Amino acid sequence: KQEVTQIPAALSVPEGENLVLNCSFTDSAIYNLQWFRQDPGKGLTSLLLIQSSQREQTSGRLNASLDKSSGRSTLYIAASQPGDSATYLCAAGREKLTFGTGTRLTIIP
Amino acid sequence: DAEITQSPRHKITETGRQVTLACHQTWNHNNMFWYRQDLGHGLRLIHYSYGVHDTNKGEVSDGYSVSRSNTEDLPLTLESAASSQTSVYFCASSDDPGRETQYFGPGTRLLVL
Repeated sequence: KQEVTQIPAALSVPEGENLVLNCSFTDSAIYNLQWFRQDPGKGLTSLLLIQSSQREQTSGRLNASLDKSSGRSTLYIAASQPGDSATYLCAAGREKLTFGTGTRLTIIP
Repeated sequence: DAEITQSPRHKITETGRQVTLACHQTWNHNNMFWYRQDLGHGLRLIHYSYGVHDTNKGEVSDGYSVSRSNTEDLPLTLESAASSQTSVYFCASSDDPGRETQYFGPGTRLLVL
């Protein structure tokens, strides 16, 4: 059974810093790895999807990497802004996603 | 614009009552999913459907049922609500299996007293 872990549960960084969020998974035979953003009281918004044959995906200031052999994915956020404050979740799988419990990110102005 | 909606957004019910949560998407996606989100557990899959008349159990399906009579809707029914089913429920949809991301609705906050 796939298990997905995100550590730390919460992170605070000053505005303008680059930061990395971590995601670990136990079954390296994943199909996709997705990163989502969730604002308080809202649904999830997809940020990046990495297919198993890919190593990374980029969108604007976001870059997500996937290393299946080590069971890890990272989400890199460049030049953080207060608007980046949210909970970030990673999810592994094909259609049936297994989610981590998320990292609550706070960007301090 | 295409979207996915859920109703009601908030619901309070009593133990033992039947409750139905609605999910409607206008993307014409074949795949639809129901998740619950609880503190400390993240999102867990309840039921999912790959098309009309297709339904499948997820990780935490006990006490829940779904039916898919058309492409746009996947209602989630709690047959006899229990306090353990107090949660936030999210519906999602996706298109091409295994390739596309899932698009999530805004969620329904359910309180079972």
